[in-house]
Amino acid sequence: DADVTQTPRNRITKTGKRIMLECSQTKGHDRMYWYRQDPGLGLRLIYYSFDVKDINKGEISDGYSVSRQAQAKFSLSLESAIPNQTALYFCATSDPQLGQHFGDGTRLSIL
Amino acid sequence: AQKVTQAQTEISVVEKEDVTLDCVYETRDTTYYLFWYKQPPSGELVFLIRRNSFDEQNEISGRYSWNFQKSTSSFNFTITASQVVDSAVYFCALRSVGTDKLIFGTGTRLQVFP
Repeated sequence: DADVTQTPRNRITKTGKRIMLECSQTKGHDRMYWYRQDPGLGLRLIYYSFDVKDINKGEISDGYSVSRQAQAKFSLSLESAIPNQTALYFCATSDPQLGQHFGDGTRLSIL
Repeated sequence: AQKVTQAQTEISVVEKEDVTLDCVYETRDTTYYLFWYKQPPSGELVFLIRRNSFDEQNEISGRYSWNFQKSTSSFNFTITASQVVDSAVYFCALRSVGTDKLIFGTGTRLQVFP
């Protein structure tokens, strides 16, 4: 089983819809992250969480919200999706010694 | 400010050629980590290497090698005798101790033709 699991893997939806991307991990790490990847821009940090009670904005948090329901779960929400949020989204956990472990990504298309 | 620059947007080579992917970083931290990730066409991110800022030894892993030079703030990645399976987008990333946030470069797309 994957250590960091993202659901769904692919999603097509319409402008204005509310969408939730889920991430769960079995690594026992406290720190979790959400990134988005756009062609030519690399990965950019949306939100990160150091534990259940600690949520921090990344460089591109506008239009997104997150929920850390438990140590193992970190969800990303788009309250009212817009086309320029079409991207590949990655969840990651962090091991201070070894670095970040990424999920396989969620391809989100907003029409 | 922290920044990672991968100036090569796309590189094309023929199989068995050697290829070097450049990475230049900026940081004011004295302690930091550098990473390389591979993203094949399937989309997942594959960890390749982590380098501590205090360790400037070059590293070799099979056909892969990395050259870390603090004097020029560079962490370049060389693939020797490239293969078609090396075709992917490669990302260099910088992490500060404490935050664990990764700052990614924009990636270099490598295409290896048979």
